[in-house]
Amino acid sequence: AQSVTQLGSHVSVSEGALVLLRCNYSSSVPPYLFWYVQYPNQGLQLLLKYTTGATLVKGINGFEAEFKKSETSFHLTKPSAHMSDAAEYFCAVSLDTGANSKLTFGKGITLSVRP
Amino acid sequence: EAGVAQSPRYKIIEKRQSVAFWCNPISGHATLYWYQQILGQGPKLLIQFQNNGVVDDSQLPKDRFSAERLKGVDSTLKIQPAKLEDSAVYLCASNSLAGESEQFFGPGTRLTVL
Repeated sequence: AQSVTQLGSHVSVSEGALVLLRCNYSSSVPPYLFWYVQYPNQGLQLLLKYTTGATLVKGINGFEAEFKKSETSFHLTKPSAHMSDAAEYFCAVSLDTGANSKLTFGKGITLSVRP
Repeated sequence: EAGVAQSPRYKIIEKRQSVAFWCNPISGHATLYWYQQILGQGPKLLIQFQNNGVVDDSQLPKDRFSAERLKGVDSTLKIQPAKLEDSAVYLCASNSLAGESEQFFGPGTRLTVL
C-alpha cells in the first residue's frame, strides 16, 4: 500500500519569498507522484506530475517539484510567491497512470501569502 | 471543453435522512471516480468506475453508500441513511483511457449532516 505524508498543516510566506511545501511518500513500487491545488469552493487542479524520466518536473503557475527516490520525497517549490498562490495544496501518489490510476492523497497544506 | 459537473453544490440534511449527488464527467471520459474529502483531510477514493462497471469500491461503506453509472456516462452517489460523520465534500473526477491522462475534478458537493 502507498501513503503520503505532508508535515504541518499551514505554511505562511511573504509575497516574493520562496515557497517550499514538503511531501514524503511510501510505496512498494516506483510511484507516480502528483501535486494538486484547491482554491476555496473549487475542485482540485493538477499543478504537476512525475511519471518517468526527468526528476525535476515543471508545472503551471511557476511551480516545480523534484523527485528524490533516495529521500522518498517530492517537495513543491516556487521561487517567488504571489498573492494568488494562497490555496490548499495536496500531494498524491499512484501506482499507475491514466485510466488505472488510483490517487492516495496527503492531508494537505494551506499556503498563506502575506503582502 | 466543459469540465466535470456536479450538483447540488451544497446540501444540508438531518441524520438518518437520505441524499443523492450527481456527476456528469467530461465527454468521452471512460473512467469516473467519487472521492470523500472530510474537513482537514485529503480526498479519499470511495469508488472507481470504468464505463459502467465498478473497478474498485473497496473503501465504499456499502451498508449506507451506493453508486451507479448507468450507460457509462453520468453517475449518482447515494447515502441512506446519513450519519453525522458523513459531513464532507464529495468530489467527482474523470479521466480518459489515453496513456498518462490526468484526473479532472469537479467542484464538489458540500454535505452537512445535522
